Amino acid sequence: KNEVEQSPQNLTAQEGEFITINCSYSVGISALHWLQQHPGGGIVSLFMLSSGKKKHGRLIATINIQEKHSSLHITASHPRDSAVYICAVNPAGNLIFGKGTKLSVKP
Amino acid sequence: GAGVSQSPSNKVTEKGKDVELRCDPISGHTALYWYRQSLGQGLEFLIYFQGNSAPDKSGLPSDRFSAERTGGSVSTLTIQRTQQEDSAVYLCASSLVDWGTEAFFGQGTRLTVV
Repeated sequence: KNEVEQSPQNLTAQEGEFITINCSYSVGISALHWLQQHPGGGIVSLFMLSSGKKKHGRLIATINIQEKHSSLHITASHPRDSAVYICAVNPAGNLIFGKGTKLSVKP
Repeated sequence: GAGVSQSPSNKVTEKGKDVELRCDPISGHTALYWYRQSLGQGLEFLIYFQGNSAPDKSGLPSDRFSAERTGGSVSTLTIQRTQQEDSAVYLCASSLVDWGTEAFFGQGTRLTVV
């Protein structure tokens, strides 16, 4: 069993839809990261969470430490949001990555 | 520069040759990480440098792989006697302290072994 599980693996949405990507993990962590990888391969850090909720523009990330679960939400999705979204957890020092969720937003 | 810089951006090499990949982290970042991503696969940890501590080399797949970080700044990942399975995008990231602080990724080096 992977230590970090993401769902769904693939997601297709229509422009404007509200999107949720889930991440569950099985190890104790000090922080959880949401990363975005565009088709060109570049990776951008979206959020780093250790508790609660963070918001940046149309992106919202939440984490429940007790349940070992985090969600990434995208409101009013747009085709430019199309990317692979990766959840990664930091138990100590290094990062353990999920396999990513490939999001395609159609116009 | 303002971000993490990697060079070269693309490298094609013949099987059996040695290659060096370079990473310039953000100035002042004490933590530096190397990852690789094979086609269609997730990110795979290779090595982690934190300040003056001994690096965490637990992710290096074989003794053909080595990495150095000189002066706490620039890092070089060396792959000796390259094999076709080494073909991947090699990504470098840095953060101020460790993964408890925000991390910044380079654009990666796409290595193709032919």
